[in-house]
Amino acid sequence: GAVVSQHPSRVICKSGTSVKIECRSLDFQATTMFWYRQFPKQSLMLMATSNEGSKATYEQGVEKDKFLINHASLTLSTLTVTSAHPEDSSFYICSAQRSGLAGYSSTDTQYFGPGTRLTVL
Amino acid sequence: AQSVTQLGSHVSVSEGALVLLRCNYSSSVPPYLFWYVQYPNQGLQLLLKYTTGATLVKGINGFEAEFKKSETSFHLTKPSAHMSDAAEYFCAVSGGDSSYKLIFGSGTRLLVRP
Repeated sequence: GAVVSQHPSRVICKSGTSVKIECRSLDFQATTMFWYRQFPKQSLMLMATSNEGSKATYEQGVEKDKFLINHASLTLSTLTVTSAHPEDSSFYICSAQRSGLAGYSSTDTQYFGPGTRLTVL
Repeated sequence: AQSVTQLGSHVSVSEGALVLLRCNYSSSVPPYLFWYVQYPNQGLQLLLKYTTGATLVKGINGFEAEFKKSETSFHLTKPSAHMSDAAEYFCAVSGGDSSYKLIFGSGTRLLVRP
């Protein structure tokens, strides 16, 4: 159980176009989903926290108008990179936190998707 | 603020040898600690986590880690390395003022020599 999928796994686009990445929890409901960015040979950096039915919370330095996050249901969150540029090329990974009866807590495990590699030409 | 330091960006061991990946954390409140493994071009898989209780935590694939508060450490070990253990390993901390957010270390790449 606790499988998270991402689509697409790899995308190449031209500069100036927008790209949408989907993150789905396949066998559980996730009130909260997270979006991370990982540069080559570096660690994961949290971009934003996505809560179902409400606006995402962005980390400092992350442009919310450039990285649009929508969490329309308990099993789906999307990240749209608008007007993508070569510097946006990266590995984007989502994670989902299983909903508990009392909401989520720091101890709840985050289950990670397989990642999406974005290359902007 | 919380932070995680992983000593050694690369660790190389022979197959069958002990694996030791080091992780030290900084936290002003009791931390929750995690180890994740990442295979090339894949997401992260949870190996083990410490929240409360027993300080020696056993995870999947024969890995274990011990929470040592006095040393602010959470080192990952495995008695005998296997070729399939070659991957990137991340230590992470959450809790306290960082709430649910996972703060990751820089990662350690484990190389296993035949």
